Amino acid sequence: QKEVEQNSGPLSVPEGAIASLNCTYSDRVSQSFFWYRQYSGKSPELIMSIYSNGDKEDGRFTAQLNKASQYVSLLIRDSQPSDSATYLCAVKTSYDKVIFGPGTSLSVIP
Amino acid sequence: GAVVSQHPSWVICKSGTSVKIECRSLDFQATTMFWYRQFPKQSLMLMATSNEGSKATYEQGVEKDKFLINHASLTLSTLTVTSAHPEDSSFYICSTNTGSIETQYFGPGTRLLVL
Repeated sequence: QKEVEQNSGPLSVPEGAIASLNCTYSDRVSQSFFWYRQYSGKSPELIMSIYSNGDKEDGRFTAQLNKASQYVSLLIRDSQPSDSATYLCAVKTSYDKVIFGPGTSLSVIP
Repeated sequence: GAVVSQHPSWVICKSGTSVKIECRSLDFQATTMFWYRQFPKQSLMLMATSNEGSKATYEQGVEKDKFLINHASLTLSTLTVTSAHPEDSSFYICSTNTGSIETQYFGPGTRLLVL
């Protein structure tokens, strides 16, 4: 089992819709979770971090964490074409390394 | 967030040559830096953890004699790809975290093409 899993996509949503990105992880002891956005040919940029169960909101982005289910998600409200990118879920494991998922490609259709 | 730079941004070299990539933290002292490699349409794979003043810690499957890491100062870590081959062509990205804060900040990356 891979340590961090994501649907590779592509996920297509119309402009203005909600995009929902999901991630599962295998290390039950993980405490720190991150969502990064990566545009083609660029390095990742941090969108959000989350450490506690529940929701964390920042503008149009909401991260959701459920440690019991080993599941973390990212919701993007009012999706814009500029949100089209690959979204990487990252988990800091119990052995202190940050492991990235394979990424989900999101396409927001105008 | 932290500011991290990399140099060069692009490099094309012949097979068998060595290539050095620099990673600098511009606004803080980085005791730890991380080196990742990303092949097209794949995720970031951690290659090694670079520790200032000590030897780097390499991930399983990464050849330490091929990918030389030096972290001689708190603001600079270098990755040297020795005797590069076409299969080493990739996007190399460094990152660091600001001490107690766990968030990683990435450099802009270096795209290596080995002919």
